Amino acid sequence: DAKTTQPPSMDCAEGRAANLPCNHSTISGNEYVYWYRQIHSQGPQYIIHGLKNNETNEMASLIITEDRKSSTLILPHATLRDTAVYYCTNTGANSKLTFGKGITLSVRP
Amino acid sequence: NAGVMQNPRHLVRRRGQEARLRCSPMKGHSHVYWYRQLPEEGLKFMVYLQKENIIDESGMPKERFSAEFPKEGPSILRIQQVVRGDSAAYFCASSPQRGLGANVLTFGAGSRLTVL
Repeated sequence: DAKTTQPPSMDCAEGRAANLPCNHSTISGNEYVYWYRQIHSQGPQYIIHGLKNNETNEMASLIITEDRKSSTLILPHATLRDTAVYYCTNTGANSKLTFGKGITLSVRP
Repeated sequence: NAGVMQNPRHLVRRRGQEARLRCSPMKGHSHVYWYRQLPEEGLKFMVYLQKENIIDESGMPKERFSAEFPKEGPSILRIQQVVRGDSAAYFCASSPQRGLGANVLTFGAGSRLTVL
């Protein structure tokens, strides 16, 4: 019952930008887009969220298309420690988070 | 300024025994969530609790599983009569509020249950 679709995996070179896509074509007007990541065997970690404007924080940038049907998480300078499963999800402010299978990002030296 | 604390980190039980997993939310957080992650699978929502109240248990199996978040003390996820299929990582998360920011969850490191 995942509400988002992500490619299963991607890789990028260390030091380069990692652009992780996500489709959320059924997103409702009041739902936010959230990104989390899970480094192997650790608990998930919040990265960023947004409604319709692009967002940036110390970890990443979130670019949301104008129709809000897709978004891209950008890690501007990927490091080996960014290797993880990245989950994109959309939900209302008072609804629970649900996660799909995510995208496995492998950062290569 | 400890984060979400879960214990035990690893728990081994034989079939038919009980498992109790504990979660202390971040200081100032009054909302607790439990998720289960089966091997090689994604995170599945189980239950959302506030102090002394179960708000959403739509992801909890109908039998053998229960959760509580008492007025004092940690949240407890209890699994009775465990079976091998219960072997998984159980993650607890907390948040400070509902509304905007509610889904900015802080997760614990997880409790890994192995049923022999």
